[in-house]
Amino acid sequence: GAVVSQHPSWVICKSGTSVKIECRSLDFQATTMFWYRQFPKQSLMLMATSNEGSKATYEQGVEKDKFLINHASLTLSTLTVTSAHPEDSSFYICSPSGTDYEQYFGPGTRLTVT
Amino acid sequence: QKEVEQNSGPLSVPEGAIASLNCTYSDRGSQSFFWYRQYSGKSPELIMFIYSNGDKEDGRFTAQLNKASQYVSLLIRDSQPSDSATYLCAVNGYGNKLVFGAGTILRVKS
Repeated sequence: GAVVSQHPSWVICKSGTSVKIECRSLDFQATTMFWYRQFPKQSLMLMATSNEGSKATYEQGVEKDKFLINHASLTLSTLTVTSAHPEDSSFYICSPSGTDYEQYFGPGTRLTVT
Repeated sequence: QKEVEQNSGPLSVPEGAIASLNCTYSDRGSQSFFWYRQYSGKSPELIMFIYSNGDKEDGRFTAQLNKASQYVSLLIRDSQPSDSATYLCAVNGYGNKLVFGAGTILRVKS
């Protein structure tokens, strides 16, 4: 499978601050990047989809001004959680996709907002 | 609304037995089907993907697809305690998006 890295793997921040999560596809070019969120004991929820060089498309109910996504290159995408609140505490996972239908997942970033 | 349904389990099987995980989907236009394994606190790991009707085997894993019945399954032969995890079924949707089921918890008892 593909090699995907995420940084940081976990982060604790105070309410009102912003957190940036980096996702890198190390061995293939990610033309599309999917960002997911997973709350405890729940399945993955797609937050947004971005294509390299384009603005992200957000799923219904996801605030685009709160979750800023940048997909500037084929190997790097970032998700910034702005003005984080405790309800944003979750497991954030990126999933790069290439020219086929297979999706691989990053190791995830566990965000805790206090 | 595209849906993917899985029995949440837990499904308990003894070590060495065959574990059978099932998934149904609502969109007849779906073309690609995936099985992911997710350990607690970790991100999903792709196990199998299948595009055509029939069986696809990879080691101890066999994916089975029946598009007429809108049914996809995963068989795990010679189940091991290390197979204990949540198994997510996913189906492709518009724009390569995956629609995930809620997952089935598998417990393999030694």
